[in-house]
Order: sequence, then C-alpha cells, then structure tokens
Amino acid sequence: RKEVEQDPGPFNVPEGATVAFNCTYSNSASQSFFWYRQDCRKEPKLLMSVYSSGNEDGRFTAQLNRASQYISLLIRDSKLSDSATYLCVAYSSASKIIFGSGTRLSIRP
Amino acid sequence: DTEVTQTPKHLVMGMTNKKSLKCEQHMGHRAMYWYKQKAKKPPELMFVYSYEKLSINESVPSRFSPECPNSSLLNLHLHALQPEDSALYLCASSQSSGGADEQYFGPGTRLTVT
Repeated sequence: RKEVEQDPGPFNVPEGATVAFNCTYSNSASQSFFWYRQDCRKEPKLLMSVYSSGNEDGRFTAQLNRASQYISLLIRDSKLSDSATYLCVAYSSASKIIFGSGTRLSIRP
Repeated sequence: DTEVTQTPKHLVMGMTNKKSLKCEQHMGHRAMYWYKQKAKKPPELMFVYSYEKLSINESVPSRFSPECPNSSLLNLHLHALQPEDSALYLCASSQSSGGADEQYFGPGTRLTVT
C-alpha cells in the first residue's frame, strides 16, 4: 500500500461546479499536510497547508480527518484556470516527505 | 519574494559528461531540497540540506553529488549519468528543516541524458 494515495482522475467538471478530492495517508504519525497544484511541465506551487481545524482560502477549503487518515480539498465555483494536477503531501519525522501521485482536474467551459 | 531560481532551464548531456545544476533562494530559508520528477509521476525526494548540512540522502546513486556552498545556494553535480536519469530536477526551499513547513519550488531543470 502506498503511503499517500490519491485518485488519479481525471475529474472533468463544468465551470462553476464544486469539486472535492481526498487523499489518504497510511502513517498515523504524519504531522503536516499540504496541497500543491502542478500545471503541465511546470513546478509544483503551494496551494495551502492543511490544519487540524480545517482552513479556507477563497474558493478552496482543506480538511484533515486524523481518525480516518485522510485530507480533502474542496474547490467551489471552479474556474478554467483551476485545471491542473493536485498533489497532496504528508510529512512525518520518520518517513519524511511523501507526495501523492496527484489528481488531474480538468474544468470545461 | 517567494522565488527560487534554477539554472539551466534545459540541459542535454552525454553519459560521460560532468555538469552541474544550480539553485538559489533569497528568502532566508534554512532548508533546501532536490527532487527528481519523471513524466506523469510525483516529485521524488533526493536530498535535503538543513542549515547547510546534508540531512537526508534518499539512497541516491553517487553519480548525483549535492553541494551547499552557503545558505542561499544549492548545487547538484552530475557525472556519468544514465539515460534513465533524464527527468525534471526540482529544487525547493522551506523556512525550517525536514519538510514540516511549506516548500517553495523553483521552475526546474529539464535534463536529457543521451
């Protein structure tokens, strides 16, 4: 079993829709979690950190569920520019930095 | 300024060549990272420098040799690479060491080994 797992997608949704991804992690000692987005042939860019209490940044909401060992990302009112691959990352002092394999999102007009 | 710069953008090298990749950040970050990313795969951690000392080497072959001349600079020296080493090499930095903090990535060097 992979340490960090994501549904690879692709998720193909219309503009304006709400879309959510989950990311599961196997190491219960994981301490920090992040969402990055990566456009084709570009570097990953930090989207947001994920806090235990959940956090929101504009149209984006991230949640952490430690009991079930997953993090989620919700995108509201999706824009064409949200089309990208979304990578979740878990950090633990033991297994260090683990990237999920990414979820591809495509927003259609 | 959350910029990490990397040079060169593209590099083509033969299997007998020696080349170096460079990375620079001026955010005062104390940790710097090298990742390798193959097409349609996530980044794979190679090395972590914390306070200019190598703190993590993820069992990377010795043909890759990292160097941290100072807190702003990170190099990756390449020698006798194989075609399967062709990939995007990403540098990143973070405020503190280990990966617990947000990382900021440079644009990467796209390496082709012929």
